[in-house]
Amino acid sequence: DIVMTQTPLSLSVTPGQPASISCKSSQSLLHSDGKTYLYWFLQKPGQSPHLLIYEVFSRFSGVPDRFSGSGSGTEFTLKISRVEAEDVGVYYCMQAIHLPRTFGQGTKVEIK
Amino acid sequence: EVQLLESGGGLVQPGESLRLSCAGSGFTFSTYAMSWVRQAPGKGLEWVSAIGGSGGPTYYADSVKGRFTISRDDSKNTLYLQMNSLRAEDTAVYYCAKDYSVTQWGQGTLVTVSS
Repeated sequence: DIVMTQTPLSLSVTPGQPASISCKSSQSLLHSDGKTYLYWFLQKPGQSPHLLIYEVFSRFSGVPDRFSGSGSGTEFTLKISRVEAEDVGVYYCMQAIHLPRTFGQGTKVEIK
Repeated sequence: EVQLLESGGGLVQPGESLRLSCAGSGFTFSTYAMSWVRQAPGKGLEWVSAIGGSGGPTYYADSVKGRFTISRDDSKNTLYLQMNSLRAEDTAVYYCAKDYSVTQWGQGTLVTVSS
């Protein structure tokens, strides 16, 4: 199985400041179709997870443009350009190139 | 708007069985693969199982293989997870999700396995 490793595991951010989360996979997520299958989810407190970013950098419907994804191969980053209070929760990366799907441990983002 | 509504969770004893259901709406259910993902209390996300569209192939995590069975009834737009020989470590919120890439999730149903 592909192992997904996130850093840091927790983050405390001042509103309006940027935040960055790293995700590394144990194998390349580049598919022969040319796409890279790395996804980012946010689980807000008391809610189910929802998709933010798919295929490394594509924002899902309705996701604010302060969220951006980057990376290639085995190393990826989620950036929030200016953190808002509503961005608190746990962020997960997930590889979608192979079954079983595997997730990172999660990064808990709090507001200072 | 895509909606996924899970049901069937509850408290069971070790060794017992439970069947979860997930009703989908707002999309052409039969054409999409569907997945189950679980989250133990205070823990991260664990993919459990998936099934292809129109009763396609099924896939399972090693932790549930041989005990859980995923199925679907496209005439009812409903996904199922039959869970047998339940263990304490199966205690979790179970989410159904659209597609192999779990792009959209339901609100989850809690399964508690305890004596």
